[in-house]
Amino acid sequence: SQWGEENLQALSIQEGEDVTMNCSYKTYTTVVHWYRQDSGRGPALIILIRSNEREKRSGRLRATLDTSSQSSSLSITAAQCEDTAVYFCATENTGGADRLTFGKGTQLIIQP
Amino acid sequence: ETAVFQTPNYHVTQVGNEVSFNCKQTLGHDTMYWYKQDSKKLLKIMFSYNNKQLIVNETVPRRFSPQSSDKAHLNLRIKSVEPEDSAVYLCASNWGGSYEQYFGPGTRLTVL
Repeated sequence: SQWGEENLQALSIQEGEDVTMNCSYKTYTTVVHWYRQDSGRGPALIILIRSNEREKRSGRLRATLDTSSQSSSLSITAAQCEDTAVYFCATENTGGADRLTFGKGTQLIIQP
Repeated sequence: ETAVFQTPNYHVTQVGNEVSFNCKQTLGHDTMYWYKQDSKKLLKIMFSYNNKQLIVNETVPRRFSPQSSDKAHLNLRIKSVEPEDSAVYLCASNWGGSYEQYFGPGTRLTVL
């Protein structure tokens, strides 16, 4: 899970396997963003899920959101080497500088 | 090309020096941000700024200051760098009414 005091999580899987990354958040939100950061680049939004969706799919990506448990997950089906990146979940906030609060990230490594 | 651009890519400097990083967005957005990303990939918001309002994260040391000439530019100045300032500084932008943020590639600062 991406929240709390844990360090950057690392997951290493073989190409072709499925993987799920979890995110639990502390403050109420109706939208969870998932960003991907490739080495040497800034994060980029890959999927966004709202509270009325429970599940959202985009290609090989699947995001879920459970507002009652304040948790979200991102699954990648049949992972490929190019999926290697750091994945962040982020929740929307109102007010303050932090319009988005980012989780600590999961380093995903896909082994050929 | 429409995107968020940052210069320089890398900067190495000595403790006590002043540095300045540039950020320009050609996306037509009205809000820009500076984040600090540490070696564990943790993203911390430093500032958010639109034409009307600068919001400063209260944990940011006073030696950091944003500088904006117009809504497409938000630079970051560090008056007297310290070793703990070594990090990647990421600039982002969005429409104030939207939460999705678009990031630049970052500037990696190393303080010796």
